[in-house]
Amino acid sequence: DTAVSQTPKYLVTQMGNDKSIKCEQNLGHDTMYWYKQDSKKFLKIMFSYNNKELIINETVPNRFSPKSPDKAHLNLHINSLELGDSAVYFCASSRTRTGELFFGEGSRLTVL
Amino acid sequence: QKEVEQNSGPLSVPEGAIASLNCTYSDRVSQSFFWYRQYSGKSPELIMSIYSNGDKEDGRFTAQLNKASQYVSLLIRDSQPSDSATYLCAVRNSGGSNYKLTFGKGTLLTVNP
Repeated sequence: DTAVSQTPKYLVTQMGNDKSIKCEQNLGHDTMYWYKQDSKKFLKIMFSYNNKELIINETVPNRFSPKSPDKAHLNLHINSLELGDSAVYFCASSRTRTGELFFGEGSRLTVL
Repeated sequence: QKEVEQNSGPLSVPEGAIASLNCTYSDRVSQSFFWYRQYSGKSPELIMSIYSNGDKEDGRFTAQLNKASQYVSLLIRDSQPSDSATYLCAVRNSGGSNYKLTFGKGTLLTVNP
């Protein structure tokens, strides 16, 4: 049983399109995250939710909009995709705000 | 800007040797420190967490923390080819309600048979 699952695992799309990535965790954790890993493998936090409340919102273009319908789900919607958005997006969760992170398998986004 | 610095490598060691991975951080009041391993094309997985000064051992892995010098290291004894991966140092910053986990850029380790 996958602990943190993301869908889809691969997205290939054209510039200007809109896409969404979904994440679900079955660990009973309170906190969920979106991280972006670029081509140089640098892993950078984008957003974090604790009990459905947004607690971390890094300097991310407002084309990126997270949504947490409940504690177990955190989705990421991206509008007007740009070439620079190409990356692997990882969802993660932790039991508390200070806990250890468990990552999903990643969603590789390629913008053409 | 709170930073986490790692030597990007690649670090190459022979099988059976000790691999030493180092990390420095800029936020003096950081509370928690983690080492993650990431195989190519896979997601990061937690290897060790350390919260107090000193050494913490788990099997072939030893994490070392020195808060005064603001560095954390990971030693891998009896290195195996299966240890070849990128090792990410992560530091949790304190301050208000923002418990952000900041990652270094990772050190690529290659263990040669």
